[in-house]
Amino acid sequence: EIVLTQSPDFQSVTPKENVTITCRASQSIGGSLYWYQQKPQQSPKLLSKNASHSFSGVPSRFSGSGFGTDFTLTINSLEAEDAATYYCHQSSSFPYTFGQGTKVEIK
Amino acid sequence: EVLLVESGGGLVQPGGSLRLSCAASGFTFSSYEMNWVRQAPGKGLEWLSYISTSSKTIYYADSVKGRFTISRDNAKNSVFLQMDSLRAEDTALYYCVRRFCPSTDCWLDHWGQGTPVTVSS
Repeated sequence: EIVLTQSPDFQSVTPKENVTITCRASQSIGGSLYWYQQKPQQSPKLLSKNASHSFSGVPSRFSGSGFGTDFTLTINSLEAEDAATYYCHQSSSFPYTFGQGTKVEIK
Repeated sequence: EVLLVESGGGLVQPGGSLRLSCAASGFTFSSYEMNWVRQAPGKGLEWLSYISTSSKTIYYADSVKGRFTISRDNAKNSVFLQMDSLRAEDTALYYCVRRFCPSTDCWLDHWGQGTPVTVSS
């Protein structure tokens, strides 16, 4: 099983700040790493893959990068509506796995 | 619009069974692989099971292997999760999730709202 480790677990951020969340895989997963945003009482929403792919409807301030074992989600100029928990997920091989989540709070 | 609507959750005693259903609409269900993912209260996401379009390929997480069974009915645009020998640690919100594979890359693109399962005496 591929273990995904996110850091940090929690981040308190002022609006307009930039946020960086990292995800490290226990073995190489190529580019098969995705990021999800989950707001309270809502289902997870697909946000980003690596830099080569963007998903429709996702604001351009969200971007993903990385390959192999180290990945990053960057939120440029954080907005209040970005308060949520962010999860990385690997679809390289079964069993699929998720990171433990990073909660982003707005100061 | 892609819609996934789960049902069948509820309160069940330890050792009991439940059958979750997920009704899909807004896309050609038979062309998409499906998954179940759960989230325990206040916890993270846990992938549980995958089923291919033809049901020929099925995978499970170790935590549910031998107790849960995934199936689908393409004629009824539905995917199911039969859960047996339920334990307190199975208490969670259960999501039905579509897998999208436009190329060699695949991802989980659409999630239902989830159906809650509580295992307690």
